[in-house]
Amino acid sequence: ETGVTQSPTHLIKTRGQQVTLRCSSQSGHNTVSWYQQALGQGPQFIFQYYREEENGRGNFPPRFSGLQFPNYSSELNVNALELDDSALYLCASSPLAGGDEQYFGPGTRLTVT
Amino acid sequence: QKEVEQNSGPLSVPEGAIASLNCTYSDRGSQSFFWYRQYSGKSPELIMFIYSNGDKEDGRFTAQLNKASQYVSLLIRDSQPSDSATYLCAVNIGHQAGTALIFGKGTTLSVSS
Repeated sequence: ETGVTQSPTHLIKTRGQQVTLRCSSQSGHNTVSWYQQALGQGPQFIFQYYREEENGRGNFPPRFSGLQFPNYSSELNVNALELDDSALYLCASSPLAGGDEQYFGPGTRLTVT
Repeated sequence: QKEVEQNSGPLSVPEGAIASLNCTYSDRGSQSFFWYRQYSGKSPELIMFIYSNGDKEDGRFTAQLNKASQYVSLLIRDSQPSDSATYLCAVNIGHQAGTALIFGKGTTLSVSS
């Protein structure tokens, strides 16, 4: 166990709806990254937060947005859900802004119907 | 497009054998390299990281890095059925440490008893 927690575990939404996923980072870790993992693929980087600011973003549209709170926990928000958004959403925390090792939480399985 | 390539497998080895997993990457500026293990239905678990050319050993695992050839490998000695999983190679891209990990699609390892 890494100490990174995510909620909810599973979620089913309808196309066009909005969803919020939550992550609590490991104690002592101040950087949180979000990844999307489709079935049979490696995780794809969505964005990273450090000190409540976005610190890098992957090739995802603006309807994917995030927040980081003073206690380093984070949210991923996805608006206007599409069927292709169905995936495992992973949160990873790392100990420093420049820290390389990232430790994943258990993930949230999102299904869009 | 910065890429990480892995053979998807499956790689099948008998119990007690050495499993060799390979990965190539496209970005010459990459500084940090990671191996994650992912069991079916679970999130990735960090098992090794390497920053310098050469070998790094941790128990039954050895990571090997050759930056000139842009090649990373993972050797698993005395393979056990519990090692059966998908192994993901990840690279920290560019010069902004901590910004993002780029993952390969993973190699599925099957260890038969």
